[in-house]
Amino acid sequence: GAVVSQHPSWVICKSGTSVKIECRSLDFQATTMFWYRQFPKQSLMLMATSNEGSKATYEQGVEKDKFLINHASLTLSTLTVTSAHPEDSSFYICRAIGPGQSTDTQYFGPGTRLTVL
Amino acid sequence: GDSVTQMEGPVTLSEEAFLTINCTYTATGYPSLFWYVQYPGEGLQLLLKATKADDKGSNKGFEATYRKETTSFHLEKGSVQVSDSAVYFCALGGRDSSYKLIFGSGTRLLVRP
Repeated sequence: GAVVSQHPSWVICKSGTSVKIECRSLDFQATTMFWYRQFPKQSLMLMATSNEGSKATYEQGVEKDKFLINHASLTLSTLTVTSAHPEDSSFYICRAIGPGQSTDTQYFGPGTRLTVL
Repeated sequence: GDSVTQMEGPVTLSEEAFLTINCTYTATGYPSLFWYVQYPGEGLQLLLKATKADDKGSNKGFEATYRKETTSFHLEKGSVQVSDSAVYFCALGGRDSSYKLIFGSGTRLLVRP
């Protein structure tokens, strides 16, 4: 089946630095990618939806200047957490959908755990 | 807006016990319903799905029936195993072109030998 990878799988950074998380679709072209955030023992919260070649659509309450999303190619989307703070520590998960696929599609990345010191 | 409500965990069972994890939803229209499972240290995996009322999704011994009248999609398994220990998420997906998934809060299941 289709595979979605994320890199890095975990990252620790100092407060104030920026961190980039990559999400790649390995064997299909991802026209749409979703970025979720999962707090400990809580559900996945949709942060934004990105379509290849266009600006991401952010959910209400998500700071677009803090969480920069770039979907420049059909196989890669990046989430950059700018000027990270300890409250940004979380598990970030991407989900990818390609042409002809539907909501049923379940191509999630394995997630990236971010810890901000 | 659309939402999903799951029973709080953790749920602790002995091996071979019967499992029910409740899930109810609020949505406009007729969404698709899903159960996802997240094993320790791994990403989400689709466990089963149902796309219309009265459909039953099933996989690996788990079942859930799309109940429109009670807006529910409860997950059941007749005999759980230790390997079923994981976090289970109920989710709904809209029928529009947005492909968004809305998740419940997740229920942690711990199965003891």
